[in-house]
Amino acid sequence: AQSVTQLDSQVPVFEEAPVELRCNYSSSVSVYLFWYVQYPNQGLQLLLKYLSGSTLVKGINGFEAEFNKSQTSFHLRKPSVHISDTAEYFCAAARGGYQKVTFGTGTKLQVIP
Amino acid sequence: DTEVTQTPKHLVMGMTNKKSLKCEQHMGHRAMYWYKQKAKKPPELMFVYSYEKLSINESVPSRFSPECPNSSLLNLHLHALQPEDSALYLCASSQVREGGVEQFFGPGTRLTVL
Repeated sequence: AQSVTQLDSQVPVFEEAPVELRCNYSSSVSVYLFWYVQYPNQGLQLLLKYLSGSTLVKGINGFEAEFNKSQTSFHLRKPSVHISDTAEYFCAAARGGYQKVTFGTGTKLQVIP
Repeated sequence: DTEVTQTPKHLVMGMTNKKSLKCEQHMGHRAMYWYKQKAKKPPELMFVYSYEKLSINESVPSRFSPECPNSSLLNLHLHALQPEDSALYLCASSQVREGGVEQFFGPGTRLTVL
């Protein structure tokens, strides 16, 4: 079974500092990877996705992620965070079909003014 | 239109009530999903509909009854719920194809069972 591990439940970071949110996945076959963001009392919004091709994926709001097959990682980065980036971030993986997406446990990004 | 809408936004119900949650999308997606999300947890898949037919039921108790009346609408009928069913209920939709397919989420219905 697919599993997704987000190593940090909370990440505090000062405004304008860089941030990395870590995600590792387990899979023996091709996998599709996603990062979603959830603002308080809202649904999930896709930040970016890796399907194939270039291992560096750029998303919305200045976020990017790097797919590393050898380390089975898909860490999310932003060079300079803003207060408005305070939210819960979920890494997710799907193997093959569209139906079942496995979510990680989430990382709460807290941006400190 | 890339939006999934859900009504109501908030719902408070007693354990003997019957209520329904509604979800709508006009993106032409033929897969629709119900998720349950407890506080500080990831979404948990409940049901998946593909081409208006139930394709996945993740062993959800029968007090939750999904319905997909057409390709744009998804309902979740609630009856005799328990307080532990209080959660954020998210609807999502996606295309139906192999490969990495993005799911589009609605804002959710915050359900409180008294």
